[in-house]
Amino acid sequence: AQSVTQPDIHITVSEGASLELRCNYSYGATPYLFWYVQSPGQGLQLLLKYFSGDTLVQGIKGFEAEFKRSQSSFNLRKPSVHWSDAAEYFCAVGATAAGNKLTFGGGTRVLVKP
Amino acid sequence: SQTIHQWPATLVQPVGSPLSLECTVEGTSNPNLYWYRQAAGRGLQLLFYSVGIGQISSEVPQNLSASRPQDRQFILSSKKLLLSDSGFYLCAWGREGFTEAFFGQGTRLTVV
Repeated sequence: AQSVTQPDIHITVSEGASLELRCNYSYGATPYLFWYVQSPGQGLQLLLKYFSGDTLVQGIKGFEAEFKRSQSSFNLRKPSVHWSDAAEYFCAVGATAAGNKLTFGGGTRVLVKP
Repeated sequence: SQTIHQWPATLVQPVGSPLSLECTVEGTSNPNLYWYRQAAGRGLQLLFYSVGIGQISSEVPQNLSASRPQDRQFILSSKKLLLSDSGFYLCAWGREGFTEAFFGQGTRLTVV
């Protein structure tokens, strides 16, 4: 069964500083990987996804993520954080078998200091 | 384009009362449908998923149930709510054969 670990529960970053959110997954085959963002009281919005090919993927809102098979990681990065990036971020791994289910990590809450 | 509707947005229910949350998808056919729950300060837990009408798979044993009476309609139900059923419920859909999921705006359920 697949699993996802997000080691950081909270991260505080200053506006304009860079941001990196960690994600480690466990899956027996080539994974489908996703990052979602959730604003308070809202649903989840897809930031980016990795299926195959180039291991550095670009997403919306200036985010990017890098797939590293050797480290079983899919870390999310943004070079310069804006106050509007304060939210909770979820990494997820998908499996095409058994209903194409997504398994989510526990999430990382990002606080942005002015 | 595809859209997903989930209602109600907020619900306060007494312990022991029934529950019915509805989710519909527009602009696609034969979607995979999902119900997730997000407890306070925790990640998302998959409750049910469906790959077709009448086909429901349960991930976690509990007093909730799901039904898919129509291709693009997914309903989450309970006969008697427990305090532990409180949380944020999210419906999602995905295209057949793909794992990417698109989420509704969620329902905040408080059981009192």
